[in-house]
Amino acid sequence: EIVLTQSPATLSLSPGERATLSCRASQSISNSLAWYQQKPGQAPRLLIYDASKRATGIPARFSGSGSGTDFTLTISSLEPEDFAVYYCQQRSDWQGWTFGQGTKVEIK
Amino acid sequence: QVQLVESGGGVVQPGRSLRLSCAASGFTFSNYGMHWVRQAPGKGLEWVAVIWYDESNKYYADSVKGRFTISRDTSKNTLFLQMNSLRVEDTAIYYCARDLGPYQLPGDYFDYWGQGTLVTVSS
Repeated sequence: EIVLTQSPATLSLSPGERATLSCRASQSISNSLAWYQQKPGQAPRLLIYDASKRATGIPARFSGSGSGTDFTLTISSLEPEDFAVYYCQQRSDWQGWTFGQGTKVEIK
Repeated sequence: QVQLVESGGGVVQPGRSLRLSCAASGFTFSNYGMHWVRQAPGKGLEWVAVIWYDESNKYYADSVKGRFTISRDTSKNTLFLQMNSLRVEDTAIYYCARDLGPYQLPGDYFDYWGQGTLVTVSS
């Protein structure tokens, strides 16, 4: 079973700062990883897929990197609307679609 | 524009049934695999079920297998989730979500989500 572990659980930063979120898979998943943003009371929004491709309409300050077991979501300069919870997600043939437990990016 | 609108949630007693619907618009529904994903209050996301775009396959999370059934009515552009033998631990917001890209067998990611419908299982 592939487990996705996100770190840190909470990231306290100020607007304008750089955010670096990590997602580690328990075994190699190549580049088959997505990142989602979820704000309170809203549905998740796809940000990044295939580890580094930005989804339609996603600002360039969001970038993804990594392959194998270690992945990173970077927000180059935090805007006020970026404070939210971020989830990584992958799919495997034997267990379906799974998510990490989430990283909350909060205002410092 | 793509829209997914869930309905059918509510409060139900353990052991009872509920049927959720997701009305799709703004895209060719029959070309896309569709999913249900749920989120317990204050918790993370859990994938529940998928139906392929051509209805050739349906898969379920172990936690709902044998109790939940996913289906779709292409003529009405609607996705369904029939939930039987409900348990307290099924309490969650249920989202429908679309595969990223048409004709995926299966799709890897979810590009559009509905706003969710809350299911509360309580005696």
